[in-house]
Amino acid sequence: DAGITQSPRHKVTETGTPVTLRCHQTENHRYMYWYRQDPGHGLRLIHYSYGVKDTDKGEVSDGYSVSRSKTEDFLLTLESATSSQTSVYFCAISDQHDTSTDTQYFGPGTRLTVL
Amino acid sequence: RKEVEQDPGPFNVPEGATVAFNCTYSNSASQSFFWYRQDCRKEPKLLMSVYSSGNEDGRFTAQLNRASQYISLLIRDSKLSDSATYLCVVNIYNQGGKLIFGQGTELSVKP
Repeated sequence: DAGITQSPRHKVTETGTPVTLRCHQTENHRYMYWYRQDPGHGLRLIHYSYGVKDTDKGEVSDGYSVSRSKTEDFLLTLESATSSQTSVYFCAISDQHDTSTDTQYFGPGTRLTVL
Repeated sequence: RKEVEQDPGPFNVPEGATVAFNCTYSNSASQSFFWYRQDCRKEPKLLMSVYSSGNEDGRFTAQLNRASQYISLLIRDSKLSDSATYLCVVNIYNQGGKLIFGQGTELSVKP
């Protein structure tokens, strides 16, 4: 299994509070991704990073920000959590951005509940 | 319309059965195709890539029909351990390396 960890694994928070999720990898892969997964939807890309300090928006980026100050860490911040952000969040990594030649490996996920 | 569509199931089959899942995609610029497997409350894991000529990995066979924009996964001789959700995934050429996921098809294999 690829060396990807996510923390926390579970979190319950209240509406309006900031929340930061952490993804840590030991594979030295260049690309890192944050997805959310909700019933009735596939995984949807929130943000991704193609290197230290290099990030870009995905499909559902509103209300989220990211930072990558080191190759191994990719942080996802919910600036002011809302109930619609209750979800399971997955981090993924890949060595190549071209997925025709490389696979994305996923972390174990973080279950976030916003009350 | 969703970019990748799958029948959510659940498909309930007995051990030893053959089961097929279908997936359609809407963007003709789709370049690469995959099936991922996701166990309950776990992360998705790559099951197999899907090539134009079709490909097989043990009991699993994947097919791609670009003209119809359709992907299939066939599982022969189902095992209890095949119970999971199967995600159809495409990489769209003009969206870089980003993956688009279907919502998944749930399979339950019973003794």
